[in-house]
Amino acid sequence: GQQVMQIPQYQHVQEGEDFTTYCNSSTTLSNIQWYKQRPGGHPVFLIQLVKSGEVKKQKRLTFQFGEAKKNSSLHITATQTTDVGTYFCASDMDSNYQLIWGAGTKLIIKP
Amino acid sequence: EAGVVQSPRYKIIEKKQPVAFWCNPISGHNTLYWYRQNLGQGPELLIRYENEEAVDDSQLPKDRFSAERLKGVDSTLKIQPAELGDSAVYLCASSLGLVGAFFGQGTRLTVV
Repeated sequence: GQQVMQIPQYQHVQEGEDFTTYCNSSTTLSNIQWYKQRPGGHPVFLIQLVKSGEVKKQKRLTFQFGEAKKNSSLHITATQTTDVGTYFCASDMDSNYQLIWGAGTKLIIKP
Repeated sequence: EAGVVQSPRYKIIEKKQPVAFWCNPISGHNTLYWYRQNLGQGPELLIRYENEEAVDDSQLPKDRFSAERLKGVDSTLKIQPAELGDSAVYLCASSLGLVGAFFGQGTRLTVV
């Protein structure tokens, strides 16, 4: 079936280091959404990208949608303890309104 | 604005017993989703409603799971009978169209 592959599964960083998670698909995506889920919490919608090559920023977070609309990335600059959680990408692939979710990347701040 | 409200927050039941979850979506949101999330995994869609119509229930185990969305607002998800493998967090989400689903806090179900 249709899949969105997300890597890495985990990323351990020192506070202040950068973090990046990637989502890839073998087929063209109509859009990509990003969510954050804190430990013990529920997914919280961050942003949606729809245009080829689109780049959006939210403070220290930068979201990119590839030119071919087959990949996307979320980059966090200078991580803080408040960034801890799992970041998910999701897409309705070919606009059939069925959101397909990546497996998530867990951001862990080293003590 | 109130967010998506789910109840109960936690539920522990014995296997073979029935259980029901309730969701009140954000006012005006026509799309409602029920997801199941196992520990360390992403949400898995069970059913999606557009208003009162279930438009995608392909992942719903229909032998034991049922859902309804009366008057296109509140929704209930029922499991009867529950099995040990049903232990998970059940998340309700709503959206206006498909842009950005807003999630409730979920119901953590433990089947013993």
